[in-house]
Amino acid sequence: DSGVTQTPKHLITATGQRVTLRCSPRSGDLSVYWYQQSLDQGLQFLIQYYNGEERAKGNILERFSAQQFPDLHSELNLSSLELGDSALYFCASSVEARRVTQYFGPGTRLLVL
Amino acid sequence: TQLLEQSPQFLSIQEGENLTVYCNSSSVFSSLQWYRQEPGEGPVLLVTVVTGGEVKKLKRLTFQFGDARKDSSLHITAAQTGDTGLYLCANTPLVFGKGTRLSVIA
Repeated sequence: DSGVTQTPKHLITATGQRVTLRCSPRSGDLSVYWYQQSLDQGLQFLIQYYNGEERAKGNILERFSAQQFPDLHSELNLSSLELGDSALYFCASSVEARRVTQYFGPGTRLLVL
Repeated sequence: TQLLEQSPQFLSIQEGENLTVYCNSSSVFSSLQWYRQEPGEGPVLLVTVVTGGEVKKLKRLTFQFGDARKDSSLHITAAQTGDTGLYLCANTPLVFGKGTRLSVIA
């Protein structure tokens, strides 16, 4: 158990819909990262927050957005969902913002039908 | 953008055999991490290497970082079924390779 929690574990929805994925970092960790993992693309970095502020942005689509709240939990919002958004979404956390050990949550498996 | 290539993509071996998997980068690593991911779970960090030429051992796993810090290898001695999983290399913390999927058969 990494100490990072993600909910829900599984999510099935339809194209065009909007979903919210939630992540609670390890106690004491200030930085949260979101990743998307698909079979063909591997683990792709989406976005990073540090202490409530956006720190780095990766291959995140405009239809996707995220935020980190004062209690440090984070939410990833996915809208206008397409079939190709079906993937595993992982959250990771670390104490600091750069070049440090990340601890991954168990992931949310999203299936868009 | 840095690209990490891992090889082989898939590997299936018998229990007790040795194996090596590789990670190559299009540019110099700032630091390199190896993770193992089991089905239905998130990646778990195995090791971090920072210095060119560095060798680290974790029980039966030996990690080597290239002198030029553009490549790395992971060698497993006497593989066990519990070693089965997806092995990922990463340039911390944002760029991951696609991984080597290892299956160790009893």
